[in-house]
Amino acid sequence: QVTLKESGPVLVKPTETLTLTCTVSGFSLSNARVGVSWIRQPPGKALEWLAHIFSFDTKSYSMSLKSRLTISKDTSKSQVVLTMTNMDPVDTATYFCAQIKEGAASLAFDIWGQGTMVTVSS
Amino acid sequence: DFQMTQSPSSLSASVGDRVTITCRASQDITNSLAWYQQKPGKVPKVLIYAASALQSGVPSRFSGSGSGTDFTLTISSLQPEDVATYYCQRYDNAPLTFGGGTKVEIK
Repeated sequence: QVTLKESGPVLVKPTETLTLTCTVSGFSLSNARVGVSWIRQPPGKALEWLAHIFSFDTKSYSMSLKSRLTISKDTSKSQVVLTMTNMDPVDTATYFCAQIKEGAASLAFDIWGQGTMVTVSS
Repeated sequence: DFQMTQSPSSLSASVGDRVTITCRASQDITNSLAWYQQKPGKVPKVLIYAASALQSGVPSRFSGSGSGTDFTLTISSLQPEDVATYYCQRYDNAPLTFGGGTKVEIK
């Protein structure tokens, strides 16, 4: 059974750097044709795609946040990590990671983590 | 800058009504379009992928159509449990943009 679980701080201060970890199980980040995205949702607002890492390690970022985001993966730990610099109260949101099979087998983002709420406040 | 434009942003319909939500991509995405349902406080769930393929376990009253830049999600007979926000998303190439969402309520 494939699962994803987000972890990270509940509260960060303005200007700090946020580091979130998505721990996956049920498949291997090193040899599965699976990509992982980070997506966020401010309270009462829409989903916003942030960043994606493909199985072959290519990375893509939201244009509006590109300068602040870094996505990476540690296959030995089965983790995908997102860092976001210079946090601001408008970044307060639930942050999700989600997986997508690549190629013809894709079912879009069919498996999501439960999300982790991050509040930015001094 | 790539965009997914979804409409309407909200709708209210009666139980049994046919409901249609549209999504327009700012460039051709062939059929790499998914529809998600998100109920309050819950994780999004994929309903439709490849524009018209029904995800396993999703009721057949949900259907998707379209290709290229224009796509539609239809609920053939709205049920109380369909109260949710629905999102479209391209998933072929970055940016993997979501539409702005459509909140569906019961009249």
